[in-house]
Amino acid sequence: DVKVTQSSRYLVKRTGEKVFLECVQDMDHENMFWYRQDPGLGLRLIYFSYDVKMKEKGDIPEGYSVSREKKERFSLILESASTNQTSMYLCASSLCGHTYEQYFGPGTRLTVT
Amino acid sequence: KNEVEQSPQNLTAQEGEFITINCSYSVGISALHWLQQHPGGGIVSLFMLSSGKKKHGRLIATINIQEKHSSLHITASHPRDSAVYICAVRQRWYGGATNKLIFGTGTLLAVQP
Repeated sequence: DVKVTQSSRYLVKRTGEKVFLECVQDMDHENMFWYRQDPGLGLRLIYFSYDVKMKEKGDIPEGYSVSREKKERFSLILESASTNQTSMYLCASSLCGHTYEQYFGPGTRLTVT
Repeated sequence: KNEVEQSPQNLTAQEGEFITINCSYSVGISALHWLQQHPGGGIVSLFMLSSGKKKHGRLIATINIQEKHSSLHITASHPRDSAVYICAVRQRWYGGATNKLIFGTGTLLAVQP
């Protein structure tokens, strides 16, 4: 079974703090994704990576950066957290190619106060 | 207008009822996904389909490519089916398809005993 894990289920941070969200997958998937999920807006893509050290902006990259130094790990970084970044953050991974489904992690609920 | 629209947004049913959730999309696609998200939980893929119909237990998914419409049916619904059901499409580009998914905003289903 594919397993996608995220470093925290719940996180509370203060405005202006630097925040790291980590995602690890154990199935040697090439693609990894970071989404945020907000009520009424559904899932929106922040960034995705199709290989080590490769990244591509999604629909809402502003205020975020990512790092992929190893194939199994994809980090989302909030350089200076703001209250409008309070959200559920979901990581996903998939094999390369458009016929493969994405596997999701359990999510991190981030609150910025 | 969203590229992926789901209806209804909220649905309450009695145990045993037949349930239908609809998804319409406005872009050319290579595949459509139905996903399930339980409260506080991660997202699980139910179906990925590009034509016709798929069945898994009490769940049936159909797609009509010409009409750009898909339906998810649940037969003999049960309280454990209570969840958010999300439709997502993989957009087709010239010469191939994107790795990215476009998500609907989800349908919140509550099945009462």
